[in-house]
Amino acid sequence: GDSVTQMEGPVTLSEEAFLTINCTYTATGYPSLFWYVQYPGEGLQLLLKATKADDKGSNKGFEATYRKETTSFHLEKGSVQVSDSAVYFCASNSGAGSYQLTFGKGTKLSVIP
Amino acid sequence: DTGVSQDPRHKITKRGQNVTFRCDPISEHNRLYWYRQTLGQGPEFLTYFQNEAQLEKSRLLSDRFSAERPKGSFSTLEIQRTEQGDSAMYLCASSPELGEAFFGQGTRLTVV
Repeated sequence: GDSVTQMEGPVTLSEEAFLTINCTYTATGYPSLFWYVQYPGEGLQLLLKATKADDKGSNKGFEATYRKETTSFHLEKGSVQVSDSAVYFCASNSGAGSYQLTFGKGTKLSVIP
Repeated sequence: DTGVSQDPRHKITKRGQNVTFRCDPISEHNRLYWYRQTLGQGPEFLTYFQNEAQLEKSRLLSDRFSAERPKGSFSTLEIQRTEQGDSAMYLCASSPELGEAFFGQGTRLTVV
């Protein structure tokens, strides 16, 4: 079945550092890929998504590119802020219109001033 | 609309008791999902409704679990004869036909 593997945390960075959280997927068909973020005490929020190969999703300074050749969707941000401290989840579905998301285990990011 | 709301936010129950959770989706969303999240893991899909019809159930959803969405609006998830292994965060999400899923804040269940 489909699966998502993301780097384990926790990750601790200083403010303004560069962030990469690795994510790889296995899927049949043509999945869409997502990054969700969970801030302390809040529900999961969609951060960005990409629906086909070579698409780049971006939001709030975060970016991720759908790489079919490496089955990856790594999350990056050039300069993290304390407010980025959260748990980040990589997820995939089975393609357009699919309702079921498969999530990675999550990576906790702490940004210190 | 304030988004997906879940009630209660926290529930502590004794092993063997029944519990019921409620989810109110975003009003115009016809799709509703339930996920379960245990500590250190990502959410796992449990079940999915299109309007009032339950179209998919994960094998994670044992016979002790039942979900309903009687009028295609709110949904309930009931767990009968709770076990300690049922302790988890139960997440509800809703979406339009083709679009982003919006998640609620979840109900944290602790079985003692």
